[in-house]
Amino acid sequence: EVQLVQSGAEVKKPGESLKISCKGSGYIFTSYWIAWVRQMPGKGLEWMGIIYPGDSTTTYSPSFEGLVTISADKSITTAYLQWGSLKTSDTAIYYCASNVLGARVPDYWGQGTLVTVSS
Amino acid sequence: DIVMTQTPLSLSVTPGQPASMSCKSSQSLLHSDGRTYLYWYVQKPGQSPQILIFEIFNRFSGVPDRFSGSGSGTDFTLHISRVEPDDVGVYYCVQGLQLPRTFGGGTKVEIK
Repeated sequence: EVQLVQSGAEVKKPGESLKISCKGSGYIFTSYWIAWVRQMPGKGLEWMGIIYPGDSTTTYSPSFEGLVTISADKSITTAYLQWGSLKTSDTAIYYCASNVLGARVPDYWGQGTLVTVSS
Repeated sequence: DIVMTQTPLSLSVTPGQPASMSCKSSQSLLHSDGRTYLYWYVQKPGQSPQILIFEIFNRFSGVPDRFSGSGSGTDFTLHISRVEPDDVGVYYCVQGLQLPRTFGGGTKVEIK
């Protein structure tokens, strides 16, 4: 069974750093990209960027370039999303997702990680 | 980036009645390979998005045939032939033509 299991909810203060994770299982991790998608409270879906775990090639949406870092460790089939200095505006649910069925958009999604940034 | 625009913002539908929603892209989603990379998702309350339709009108495995898609180029429509209570949620279109992928703002479907 294909699964993307994300790390748990986080509560952080502005200026703190954070790294959240997404573990893939049930498929060949290096054969499909993983994307990260943001959903701010009560809002829609925003594409942040994508990583190809086979060679760690990443492409960021211009809106998120320089604000976050996407990485992956194929030895433990896990992708990551990290911030160096969080802002209150980073409060959102973050989803990882993959195209295991071969679509050009995500066809499998993680359960989401709620990140709350508050002083 | 390709801009995806969805209308209406919300729909209130009586169970058993049809519903339809529109999605327009700022440029054609027709690829040089002849395929049109327009997809539909639903996000039910408290859940992750789930994919419904690929390449305009093809249903993913397990998606009821009450759901159908149509359109071409830049104009697309998702139809629900007979809305059921379980269809409540926000429906998003998304383009798969180029990076970054971009989503429409969503159409919220509620039950009367």
